[in-house]
Amino acid sequence: DAGVTQSPTHLIKTRGQQVTLRCSPKSGHDTVSWYQQALGQGPQFIFQYYEEEERQRGNFPDRFSGHQFPNYSSELNVNALLLGDSALYLCASSQTDNEQFFGPGTRLTVL
Amino acid sequence: QQQVKQSPQSLIVQKGGISIINCAYENTAFDYFPWYQQFPGKGPALLIAIRPDVSEKKEGRFTISFNKSAKQFSLHIMDSQPGDSATYFCAARSGNQFYFGTGTSLTVIP
Repeated sequence: DAGVTQSPTHLIKTRGQQVTLRCSPKSGHDTVSWYQQALGQGPQFIFQYYEEEERQRGNFPDRFSGHQFPNYSSELNVNALLLGDSALYLCASSQTDNEQFFGPGTRLTVL
Repeated sequence: QQQVKQSPQSLIVQKGGISIINCAYENTAFDYFPWYQQFPGKGPALLIAIRPDVSEKKEGRFTISFNKSAKQFSLHIMDSQPGDSATYFCAARSGNQFYFGTGTSLTVIP
């Protein structure tokens, strides 16, 4: 079992651009959550996808959007990038409502 | 507003000592309290978790103590080892959303 995988590992963008990050959940998991982790901070919940629908959303603007595919993999899209969007973006998958398994993250740098 | 407050920000412990990290919350809707361990360049990994109807849970060298009336919970690492050096996060769940503390950087000195 490969666990939760994310791509790309690192990404550099400029302000105003758009970015798409990808996540493949752990085998057997049907729920995917996305988090933003700024340097030296704890992860902040962006949103959660279940059955291809956004089930819950944290306090993030509409520039952040997502998608879940029938195979449970997911994408996070961020439009009109700001310098403050620079962070580690984490994907977590789960099957039950409890235990989340995190991927290694995508490091996004906005210049 | 930080939903889960974590302290200390950093902690240095001698090998074999006890590491203690504390968290506090206000939202009584929280129903699940996990602790995560994160190494540099890696995603957080679940260490141990507790529900509010239990006052203590122990798994190996790791123990969670939970005080529902005080809305506080803590992680105790017994016989701390250099390999335990990492950042630790407490978290709390309400609905489908997890709220994380700001993290504690633990350094265990050989």
